[in-house]
Amino acid sequence: AQSVTQLDSQVPVFEEAPVELRCNYSSSVSVYLFWYVQYPNQGLQLLLKYLSGSTLVKGINGFEAEFNKSQTSFHLRKPSVHISDTAEYFCAVFASGGSYIPTFGRGTSLIVHP
Amino acid sequence: KAGVTQTPRYLIKTRGQQVTLSCSPISGHRSVSWYQQTPGQGLQFLFEYFSETQRNKGNFPGRFSGRQFSNSRSEMNVSTLELGDSALYLCASSSDQLDSYNEQFFGPGTRLTVL
Repeated sequence: AQSVTQLDSQVPVFEEAPVELRCNYSSSVSVYLFWYVQYPNQGLQLLLKYLSGSTLVKGINGFEAEFNKSQTSFHLRKPSVHISDTAEYFCAVFASGGSYIPTFGRGTSLIVHP
Repeated sequence: KAGVTQTPRYLIKTRGQQVTLSCSPISGHRSVSWYQQTPGQGLQFLFEYFSETQRNKGNFPGRFSGRQFSNSRSEMNVSTLELGDSALYLCASSSDQLDSYNEQFFGPGTRLTVL
């Protein structure tokens, strides 16, 4: 079984500042990793994914994440945030060769202040 | 392709009633999963249907049930509603091809309020 921990439930930041949202996972097998974003009153939208290959993954809206196998982490970063980035962010892990269901973290609320 | 659609978007019910939520997956997708999202518990997996069969099930009571039709559309039913069932119910579909990592595409959700 796999698990996901998002270390911060809420991250406040000022506009144009950099941000990092942390995600750690545990799994006994190889994993695929995802970050989703959820805007108010909407479903989840895929930001980026790591399947294999380069450990630095670039996604939509200027976000990127780095897979670190030794630290079992997949932190999400953006060098300069915008007010419109205010949303809930979910990290998810999917065990390759396992069940067809991803495990989601509890979410991190990113709040961007002007 | 059209995205995942869910109906209705908002629903208000009273305790003891039952409710049916509907989900239409992306065309060609055969797997449909349902999640319950609440502020306290986050995203919790309810069940997954593939080719009209329940393939995976989360830890929810039997009041929560679902089904999938031959066109892959899915419905979720909650009987004897409780106040704690108030949540955003999300549906997600995936292509579930053998060489796929099963990326899930989410609908906008149905906001259920139980009074």
